[in-house]
Amino acid sequence: GESVGLHLPTLSVQEGDNSIINCAYSNSASDYFIWYKQESGKGPQFIIDIRSNMDKRQGQRVTVLLNKTVKHLSLQIAATQPGDSAVYFCAENRYNQGGKLIFGQGTELSVKP
Amino acid sequence: KAGVTQTPRYLIKTRGQQVTLSCSPISGHRSVSWYQQTPGQGLQFLFEYFSETQRNKGNFPGRFSGRQFSNSRSEMNVSTLELGDSALYLCASRFSGRVADTQYFGPGTRLTVL
Repeated sequence: GESVGLHLPTLSVQEGDNSIINCAYSNSASDYFIWYKQESGKGPQFIIDIRSNMDKRQGQRVTVLLNKTVKHLSLQIAATQPGDSAVYFCAENRYNQGGKLIFGQGTELSVKP
Repeated sequence: KAGVTQTPRYLIKTRGQQVTLSCSPISGHRSVSWYQQTPGQGLQFLFEYFSETQRNKGNFPGRFSGRQFSNSRSEMNVSTLELGDSALYLCASRFSGRVADTQYFGPGTRLTVL
């Protein structure tokens, strides 16, 4: 079946450290990947996206890496701050399925001061 | 620009009732998608509307339906509510129907079915 899965349900890091959140996807035909951040009581917030013809994309303090060979996606957060504490979801968007996002289960990131 | 707004934010219903949730997309956005979020199943796609037409549908029973108006506002309806319908219902909007357009989410409607 189709799925976008996360390796770890929780991740705890020290403030100032770098965080790496991983995601595996099952469909090699996937075209587009997005990372969202969801804080308690809020809807998912867009962080960064990457198309399947890229292997790396950088934003402000965040980097997404895509390894199509092993169908793996990761989100790196530099100098993690307490405000980064949230649940992070990877999502897959396939060009032949319109706007349907397929979400992973989420990783809860906890930042210790 | 104002973000995606959803009303009501919280709702309590009993089994067998029906419910209508509303979503106002970001101004200028023509595509609206709905998702259900539960602790057990995570975020699951319900359906997408673009220019008042349903473009895509997830694997939910027919009790879940939706529509979109000419001003791009959207509603979803759940009939004959079941306990398992308790969830956070999220609406997301994007500018066009292109797949790579970023989807922006609203805060959600928390539905509790008793």
